[in-house]
Amino acid sequence: QLQLQESGPGLLKPSETLSLTCTVSGASISSTTSYWGWIRQPPGKGLEWIGSIYYGGSKYYNPSLESRITISLDTSKNQFSLNLRSVTATDTAVYFCARPRGRAAGPFDYWGQGTLVSVSS
Amino acid sequence: EIVLTQSPGTLSLSPGERATLSCRASQSVSSNYLAWYQQKPGQAPRLLIYAASSRATDIPDTFSGSGSGTDFTLTISRLEPEDFAVYYCQQYGSTPGTFGQGTKVEIK
Repeated sequence: QLQLQESGPGLLKPSETLSLTCTVSGASISSTTSYWGWIRQPPGKGLEWIGSIYYGGSKYYNPSLESRITISLDTSKNQFSLNLRSVTATDTAVYFCARPRGRAAGPFDYWGQGTLVSVSS
Repeated sequence: EIVLTQSPGTLSLSPGERATLSCRASQSVSSNYLAWYQQKPGQAPRLLIYAASSRATDIPDTFSGSGSGTDFTLTISRLEPEDFAVYYCQQYGSTPGTFGQGTKVEIK
């Protein structure tokens, strides 16, 4: 059974870089022909696709965030990561890692539990 | 970017009733790559339907999806107590993938 788990700091100051890691168990991220992605949800609001990475390394980013984000794979640790630079209060959200099934932007059939990241001075 | 508009915003129904949720896209969704998710408070979304009408693994047949092009529908034929939640549609036919704003199904 595929499982994903997010980890990273829960509180950041404005202008800092958000760094989150998703640890995958139950499958190897480098041996499956799969994408791996990030989605976020501000408190009390809807869902936003951040971006995805293919197991071969191709990356797909939401244009609204593209200038500030990097998604990468660490096959030795079976993890993938999200870096979001120059955060502001509007980046406060629950961040989910998830597995898009077959396409870069979905559908997302396996999800982590989510981690709340707050940006405040 | 494709904008998805869900209606109604809130649906107040009783257990056993039928729920019909709508999702309208600002332009045609490529290959009808439209998914539906259920989200309960404090939980991650759960995939219900993909490709407009295919049920995901372990999803009961009380959930069904239909539609094509720009108009899609999620139907819950008979509401169980555990079905009261927020439902989101998502198009993944083109990037960026986009989500609707959600429909809350609440107990009347």
